[in-house]
Amino acid sequence: GAVVSQHPSRVICKSGTSVKIECRSLDFQATTMFWYRQFPKQSLMLMATSNEGSKATYEQGVEKDKFLINHASLTLSTLTVTSAHPEDSSFYICSASARLAGGEQYFGPGTRLTVT
Amino acid sequence: AQSVTQLGSHVSVSEGALVLLRCNYSSSVPPYLFWYVQYPNQGLQLLLKYTTGATLVKGINGFEAEFKKSETSFHLTKPSAHMSDAAEYFCAVSEVSNTGKLIFGQGTTLQVKP
Repeated sequence: GAVVSQHPSRVICKSGTSVKIECRSLDFQATTMFWYRQFPKQSLMLMATSNEGSKATYEQGVEKDKFLINHASLTLSTLTVTSAHPEDSSFYICSASARLAGGEQYFGPGTRLTVT
Repeated sequence: AQSVTQLGSHVSVSEGALVLLRCNYSSSVPPYLFWYVQYPNQGLQLLLKYTTGATLVKGINGFEAEFKKSETSFHLTKPSAHMSDAAEYFCAVSEVSNTGKLIFGQGTTLQVKP
C-alpha cells in the first residue's frame, strides 16, 4: 500500500523558535496533501490543504503566517510552525492523496511537537 | 455542509464479543464514507471505505460496515473483539467537491476487556 512518512516523529523546541515538519509520499505522487492537528483525546482538525506547485488553502481560523505550508514537489510537503508557543504543542498529522474528490488519503505517522 | 456524528465516545466490550461502533452522517449528495483506526501516538490507518456499489463493505482485521442511505448511517462492526482491537476509531465522510477534504467524527475509543 501507499506509504507516507513524517519527519521528525517527535520534536521539542523553545518558545519563539520555528520548527519544520516534513511529509513525504514514498511510493506514489501526491497531487494533494493535507495537514491536520490533533489535541489529546480529540479528533483531527484540518488545518490546510496543499496542492503541488500552488499556495495552500487554509481552514477558517488557522493563521497562514504562523503555519507555513510548502508543497514543492509531488512527494514532499512541509509545515513550518513559526515563532512557536506552548499552545502550539500538539500532534500534527499529514496525509496525501493521489486523487481529488473521494480519493483515499494515506496518513503519515504524525509528529509530536512540544514547545517549552 | 457535510458532517459526521459518532455515537458514544467510549465503547467497552469483552474479548470475543461483538463490536459495534456507530456513525451517522449528514450529506446532501451521495457521500464517500471511511472508517479509520488510530493506535496511540500513531497516524490513521484505513479500515474500510464505501464509495459506490455494494453497501456492505468488508475491511481489514475482520471489520465491516454497512452503508444505509435511509438511516444515513455507516456503522462499523466486528463479530468477535480481540485485545489488539483496542484503539481509537474515526468515521469520516469525503467532501463532495474537488478538494477531497475529509470530515471526521469525534472518534470512539474502543476498550476490550479480557
